[in-house]
Amino acid sequence: QVQLQQSGPGLLKPSQILALTCAISGDNVSNNTTTWNWLRQSPSRGLEWLGRTSYRSKWFNDYAVSLKGRITINPDTSKNQFSLQLNSVAPDDTAVYFCARESQRTPEAFDVWGQGTMVIVSS
Amino acid sequence: SYMVTQPPSESVAPGQTARITCEGKNIATKSVHWYGQQPGQAPVLVVYDDSDRPSGIPERISASNSGNTATLTIRRVEAGDEADYFCQVCDTGSDQRFVFGSGTKVTVL
Repeated sequence: QVQLQQSGPGLLKPSQILALTCAISGDNVSNNTTTWNWLRQSPSRGLEWLGRTSYRSKWFNDYAVSLKGRITINPDTSKNQFSLQLNSVAPDDTAVYFCARESQRTPEAFDVWGQGTMVIVSS
Repeated sequence: SYMVTQPPSESVAPGQTARITCEGKNIATKSVHWYGQQPGQAPVLVVYDDSDRPSGIPERISASNSGNTATLTIRRVEAGDEADYFCQVCDTGSDQRFVFGSGTKVTVL
């Protein structure tokens, strides 16, 4: 059974860096039939896809256009996990953040989710 | 960029059928996926590729996709079905590759 376990701080001040980690069990971050994604959910924006990382002979990253320049998603093969870094956060980045898997079995859909991390950006 | 629209709420009596729509231009040309979300929990995939169910999802949950409307149907509704339900499509021309509906709150009377 695949599980995703999220970790990271939940309270930030404006302009700080948001850093979350998603640890994978039951699958491998280097699996060439999956992608590893970050999403967030807020009352104002609803569910919003942020970006993903995947391995297809080499590593590929793909980000939401609105976040390009602020977002980085990195795999960590030694720990079988992947991370989200969002720079220069603002109150509008307040949301519940989720990591999720997209697999070949359910293409374009997210079949496994992390538990979610509430992130609040406030001065 | 592509947009999908869901009604905000749907109320249904136990044992009856709930139908949740997801409208988008020519949505039948896209694969539609559906998620259920209980308060305080992560979304759970209940239907993928228009009408397929992941293992563990009961057969009384089904879905279809035609024209400009995709529909999630929950038959013999139970109290435990009370949740928010979201549709989702993939659109490579959008700002976000994956586009979600705003969700429909299903209330079991």
